[in-house]
Amino acid sequence: DVKVTQSSRYLVKRTGEKVFLECVQDMDHENMFWYRQDPGLGLRLIYFSYDVKMKEKGDIPEGYSVSREKKERFSLILESASTNQTSMYLCASSPTGNWNGYTFGSGTRLTVV
Amino acid sequence: DQQVKQNSPSLSVQEGRISILNCDYTNSMFDYFLWYKKYPAEGPTFLISISSIKDKNEDGRFTVFLNKSAKHLSLHIVPSQPGDSAVYFCAASDPFRGGYQKVTFGTGTKLQVIP
Repeated sequence: DVKVTQSSRYLVKRTGEKVFLECVQDMDHENMFWYRQDPGLGLRLIYFSYDVKMKEKGDIPEGYSVSREKKERFSLILESASTNQTSMYLCASSPTGNWNGYTFGSGTRLTVV
Repeated sequence: DQQVKQNSPSLSVQEGRISILNCDYTNSMFDYFLWYKKYPAEGPTFLISISSIKDKNEDGRFTVFLNKSAKHLSLHIVPSQPGDSAVYFCAASDPFRGGYQKVTFGTGTKLQVIP
């Protein structure tokens, strides 16, 4: 019954590494989103995509990039991980039309050491 | 610039009593509001929503109230149960842009329901 799947629940990476976070949804949703959650800051939008190969910057895109080669898959890339990117990363999807909020994945807790 | 604000980071309530979670927003263009519930190590799950054309929406023990003039919404949980202990995020959506809805989230309120 899982609808938005994030490939890893926990990740530990070293400073400077290139990190890939993967997200897959099986609901045929057009829109996909990447957020990070930090204490006291809530959920902040990093990037989103409203179609295959399309991407838009969110509120905090610096240090991140994304890839959407297939409709069901949306990848978040940390080009050179830094300790301030230690966070909970949440992927979400939503349909176009008949909208009633996002469906979130379970999250990836990333620690950069 | 925090457009959606939850000024109470935490709230403790006795089981059986009412929980009231508050949220304020600044952007008058928001036209749809939602509450999400999040348990530790899980993603947020949708709880209840309200359109800007309404002032109340009810779903079982959960009721959301919207006061557009005050740019304020609240979530009432009656009666509160220990399983309601979680972080609650208020969220607001821009008008539909012909493709997607952009949602802005608040900082969250951690609710603890004491048995």
